[in-house]
Amino acid sequence: QQPVQSPQAVILREGEDAVINCSSSKALYSVHWYRQKHGEAPVFLMILLKGGEQKGHEKISASFNEKKQQSSLYLTASQLSYSGTYFCGTEKSTDKLIFGTGTRLQVFP
Amino acid sequence: NAGVTQTPKFQVLKTGQSMTLQCAQDMNHNSMYWYRQDPGMGLRLIYYSASEGTTDKGEVPNGYNVSRLNKREFSLRLESAAPSQTSVYFCATKGRKTGTNYGYTFGSGTRLTVV
Repeated sequence: QQPVQSPQAVILREGEDAVINCSSSKALYSVHWYRQKHGEAPVFLMILLKGGEQKGHEKISASFNEKKQQSSLYLTASQLSYSGTYFCGTEKSTDKLIFGTGTRLQVFP
Repeated sequence: NAGVTQTPKFQVLKTGQSMTLQCAQDMNHNSMYWYRQDPGMGLRLIYYSASEGTTDKGEVPNGYNVSRLNKREFSLRLESAAPSQTSVYFCATKGRKTGTNYGYTFGSGTRLTVV
């Protein structure tokens, strides 16, 4: 079952912060986060494992609440380059990643 | 070091025609995947292969077949294309846990239009 992301879209000014949420109805092994720019392939940002949390980038971090099967992606002091669509992906085992519904982020000067 | 290479990049098919999308990786990864992405939508898993010699269905396998030819190559075949299969197709790989980065690596995609 596809994880659900919220919000569907975010509009920011440079320097503002944003939070993107990802919820699953299934017990999870891991949560991935990806960013996709228009016309390009998704690019891996970070992974959060059951029992732990990994911080992938200086101003982009994430958390994983295993009990609630929820993950949140935090974007701090946004830059123009952060614009794109963000997808979470969830794994129940180690071999199959199911992507979420996506959150479109636009950062303006 | 190309990573994941997909061919062709663009293709137009007539309804009922068949074609094979090719994917090759030079990352020595075990797992390979085919996803489709419709305009403005997320990625949906079609088929995957956890290791050479094995394939499994994903979320939307109907109308597709796959072949894991060897560790490097994973192909996706449309036997009788339909307009509903118009989409961007991405191939991806994932290695076993090594260090702290074992996310999926995607190819640049094949943009397929069925008329």
